Amino acid sequence: AQSVAQPEDQVNVAEGNPLTVKCTYSVSGNPYLFWYVQYPNRGLQFLLKYITGDNLVKGSYGFEAEFNKSQTSFHLKKPSALVSDSALYFCAVRVIISGNTPLVFGKGTRLSVIA
Amino acid sequence: GAVVSQHPSWVICKSGTSVKIECRSLDFQATTMFWYRQFPKQSLMLMATSNEGSKATYEQGVEKDKFLINHASLTLSTLTVTSAHPEDSSFYICSARPPSGGAREQFFGPGTRLTVL
Repeated sequence: AQSVAQPEDQVNVAEGNPLTVKCTYSVSGNPYLFWYVQYPNRGLQFLLKYITGDNLVKGSYGFEAEFNKSQTSFHLKKPSALVSDSALYFCAVRVIISGNTPLVFGKGTRLSVIA
Repeated sequence: GAVVSQHPSWVICKSGTSVKIECRSLDFQATTMFWYRQFPKQSLMLMATSNEGSKATYEQGVEKDKFLINHASLTLSTLTVTSAHPEDSSFYICSARPPSGGAREQFFGPGTRLTVL
């Protein structure tokens, strides 16, 4: 079975400082990894994904994530946080078993960027 | 990019009534749609996977007679919460996946907040 762990419920960072939101995964097979962001009472917005190739993936709004196979991690990062980045962030994984295999989500990490 | 809509965005109903939530893929055909449920400050829990023209596959613990899913066309899936009770109050999010592409990422609707009184 595949699973995703986001060890931090909450991350606080000052505006302008770098931010990291952690994610580790457990799968049998090659993972497809995703990060989504959710604003209050809204659906999920896609940030970035790792499929194959370069371990450093760049996504929307200046976010990036690094796939680390040995540590089974896919941490989300941004060099300089903005107050508008405050939201709920979800890491998700998918292993292609069939066309119907869904994304499995971590529990989410609430990011709070303080001005 | 791919757009998924949900209707209604929020609904309040009395206990014992049924509520239907629609999920539409607006600019692509979705052979597979997923329904998730999200409790406050919690993650998305997959309820069921639906494929156009066939019965939905429900996750363990999800009552298929209570949460009826119909995927009648390539652009529309509906979730009907039958005989709703206060414990069914939640945020329901649908997701659709286009048939092409290797990773076939999922596109998410904006969600429907259901409150059962």
